[in-house]
Amino acid sequence: DAGVIQSPRHEVTEMGQEVTLRCKLISGHNSLFWYRQTMMRGLELLIYFNNNVPIDDSGMPEDRFSAKMPNASFSTLKIQPSEPRDSAVYFCASRGQATYEQYFGPGTRLTVT
Amino acid sequence: AQSVSQHNHHVILSEAASLELGCNYSYGGTVNLFWYVQYPGQHLQLLLKYFSGDPLVKGIKGFEAEFIKSKFSFNLRKPSVQWSDTAEYFCAVSGGSYIPTFGRGTSLIVHP
Repeated sequence: DAGVIQSPRHEVTEMGQEVTLRCKLISGHNSLFWYRQTMMRGLELLIYFNNNVPIDDSGMPEDRFSAKMPNASFSTLKIQPSEPRDSAVYFCASRGQATYEQYFGPGTRLTVT
Repeated sequence: AQSVSQHNHHVILSEAASLELGCNYSYGGTVNLFWYVQYPGQHLQLLLKYFSGDPLVKGIKGFEAEFIKSKFSFNLRKPSVQWSDTAEYFCAVSGGSYIPTFGRGTSLIVHP
């Protein structure tokens, strides 16, 4: 299994631009988590999907952030418009139905200038 | 609501020293507990987990953790650290909602 796949691995963009981060779950997993990691705030949960349905989005910072799961194996996290304070590493993690541990992707390092 | 507290933010050790990283959680019900490791520039990987049974859990790379219910603790230990153990370590707890809560992490630096 290839594990959780994220793209791009690095993204540098200018303030005001739209950014789309992508995540492919491990085959057979049904839960998807998006996290943001910064030095100041540590690892923050942004949103959690179960069976394609957003269950908890209380961590999404503001309306500029949106996440979708168009099918059982793929998710996007969109930031529009982006701001310098959005600079962070964004991880997605998937989890299977019969297990409790999460499998993290390699992350996307986002820099907004 | 569940929460996790990792007391040591930065730990610096020499090779062969023993390691213990503290983790305390707050949640009134049954919990699942995890330790994840993040090597420099990499993603989080599972070190070990506790769901039920023997409270002393052994993980990969010689790590172990002990669940002490009365103390709401799940401390991570390793008898002899190596330079390659330099990483960030995260404790996580998952209660009834199955949404894990992560601690702030402990940065471990091991000098050769």
